[in-house]
Amino acid sequence: DVKVTQSSRYLVKRTGEKVFLECVQDMDHENMFWYRQDPGLGLRLIYFSYDVKMKEKGDIPEGYSVSREKKERFSLILESASTNQTSMYLCASRPGGASSYNEQFFGPGTRLTVL
Amino acid sequence: AQKITQTQPGMFVQEKEAVTLDCTYDTSDPSYGLFWYKQPSSGEMIFLIYQGSYDQQNATEGRYSLNFQKARKSANLVISASQLGDSAMYFCAMREALNQFYFGTGTSLTVIP
Repeated sequence: DVKVTQSSRYLVKRTGEKVFLECVQDMDHENMFWYRQDPGLGLRLIYFSYDVKMKEKGDIPEGYSVSREKKERFSLILESASTNQTSMYLCASRPGGASSYNEQFFGPGTRLTVL
Repeated sequence: AQKITQTQPGMFVQEKEAVTLDCTYDTSDPSYGLFWYKQPSSGEMIFLIYQGSYDQQNATEGRYSLNFQKARKSANLVISASQLGDSAMYFCAMREALNQFYFGTGTSLTVIP
């Protein structure tokens, strides 16, 4: 079974703190994604990566950065957390290749609260 | 324009009845994939069913079927014989030729005993 793990299920941080959200997958997937999920807005893509050290902006990259130094690990960084970044953060991975099949496999999510 | 539109924020269905969750999509790519995910209150996203743009037949997976109408750009999820455990958020998603997935805003389904 594909397993995607996230470092924390719940996280509480203060405004201005630097926050790291870690995601690890164990299936050698090329592609990894970070989403945030807010009520009424669905899932919105923050960043994705299709290879080590590669990254692409998604729909809402402002205020976030990412790092992918190893294939299995994709980190989301909030350089200076703000209250409007309080949200559920979901990490996902999927195999590479041109096929439009291959669903994304999701981690359990991190519910981040910024006070 | 929205890539994926789910117009039903909330739906109710009687246990053992069938229910249809609507999804329309917007793309100009000839090759794309459509996905449905279930998100229970615990938060994990569970993959349910997939339909490829070139698939001639509607996808089915157990009690789930996808009513794919390509000309209308719709990909509705049909759940037959609803169970209490089907109560959850349901998300429609699309993958275009590039890697990016697009998700709808979701439909909250409540199954009534």
